[in-house]
Amino acid sequence: AQSVTQLDSHVSVSEGTPVLLRCNYSSSYSPSLFWYVQHPNKGLQLLLKYTSAATLVKGINGFEAEFKKSETSFHLTKPSAHMSDAAEYFCVVQRGTSYGKLTFGQGTILTVHP
Amino acid sequence: EAEVAQSPRYKITEKSQAVAFWCDPISGHATLYWYRQILGQGPELLVQFQDESVVDDSQLPKDRFSAERLKGVDSTLKIQPAELGDSAMYLCASSFSGGQLDTQYFGPGTRLTVL
Repeated sequence: AQSVTQLDSHVSVSEGTPVLLRCNYSSSYSPSLFWYVQHPNKGLQLLLKYTSAATLVKGINGFEAEFKKSETSFHLTKPSAHMSDAAEYFCVVQRGTSYGKLTFGQGTILTVHP
Repeated sequence: EAEVAQSPRYKITEKSQAVAFWCDPISGHATLYWYRQILGQGPELLVQFQDESVVDDSQLPKDRFSAERLKGVDSTLKIQPAELGDSAMYLCASSFSGGQLDTQYFGPGTRLTVL
């Protein structure tokens, strides 16, 4: 079985300060891990994905995440928040087999203050 | 850039009525997924197609939900009869082959309200 726990339901930062969204995973297989972002009234957009290559993954819009197997974590970071980053973020694990099912976390709502 | 299309974007219905949602995946994508996202939660997979075949419908409430992808291209998800608890966002996604290295691309969703 596989599962994802997003440790914060809400994160609030000021514009220009760092962003940290925390995610722990559990998977019986060698997983692929993703971060998706959902802006209000828009579809889910892929930010980045880890598929057993480099453990530090760079994504779009300046986001990156580090896969730490020993800690079973895949935290999302960005050095400097922008107002347009305000959205809901989902950490996702995919089972390491064909026809990989995605299992989503509960989501973290990021608020960016001016 | 190719996108996953869904319609309608919004649907309001009364309980016990039938509703249907349509999804057109990105051209050439063999794998199609239907997810349900209840407010405040992450999406949950309802059904997954590989071409026209169902490969996972373990979370689909089969007494009232049905899904088809007859020609292996577009797909329809139906609920009959709708219940109050079915109010949610229904998301369609597609990927090239469904493998571990594939990215799933999501459509804008259909927001269903059951009164």
